[in-house]
Amino acid sequence: NAGVTQTPKFQVLKTGQSMTLQCAQDMNHEYMSWYRQDPGMGLRLIHYSVGAGITDQGEVPNGYNVSRSTTEDFPLRLLSAAPSQTSVYFCASSRDSAREAFFGQGTRLTVV
Amino acid sequence: ILNVEQSPQSLHVQEGDSTNFTCSFPSSNFYALHWYRWETAKSPEALFVMTLNGDEKKKGRISATLNTKEGYSYLYIKGSQPEDSATYLCAWPRNAGNMLTFGGGTRLMVKP
Repeated sequence: NAGVTQTPKFQVLKTGQSMTLQCAQDMNHEYMSWYRQDPGMGLRLIHYSVGAGITDQGEVPNGYNVSRSTTEDFPLRLLSAAPSQTSVYFCASSRDSAREAFFGQGTRLTVV
Repeated sequence: ILNVEQSPQSLHVQEGDSTNFTCSFPSSNFYALHWYRWETAKSPEALFVMTLNGDEKKKGRISATLNTKEGYSYLYIKGSQPEDSATYLCAWPRNAGNMLTFGGGTRLMVKP
């Protein structure tokens, strides 16, 4: 029962580097999303997708890109990492927004 | 209310106490209301998803109610135990095709 798999769990980047956070789900869910969690800020939506080929911006999309070429995968790209992107990132998937969301294990990213 | 608001932000109770938290959300165009339990160093896990005004859901000692006309939901924990210590999040999709917007959470600490 894999559910939602996120990799890596931990990552340290230098300012200006780029990287991709991977997210895969095996539940055939149409809805997938990326959140970041910062102290005192709760979970904030970065980008989301309601199906393959469809993506949209959330509350805090600047500095991040996404694509959804398959139902299973929803990678998050940091184009040029900044210290303000130091955070814990969660990927989530669900059948739709009236069904429970399943979360990945999280990725703790530090940008120095 | 434009977004999801939760109160209180944190709560300290003794083992055996019963407690409740509030989630307020925009009452127009209601679609669904979610509750999640989030333990430290883990991922959020769904407790309830409610879609109908007057809904009441129960899971063990935890229950939730929903009032869509006035835009609030209550989460109740009966006879709190130390293992109930966690952050409880509520979330609301702006519409059927949108992702969840989370409240800031209520952090519950239960002392033995």
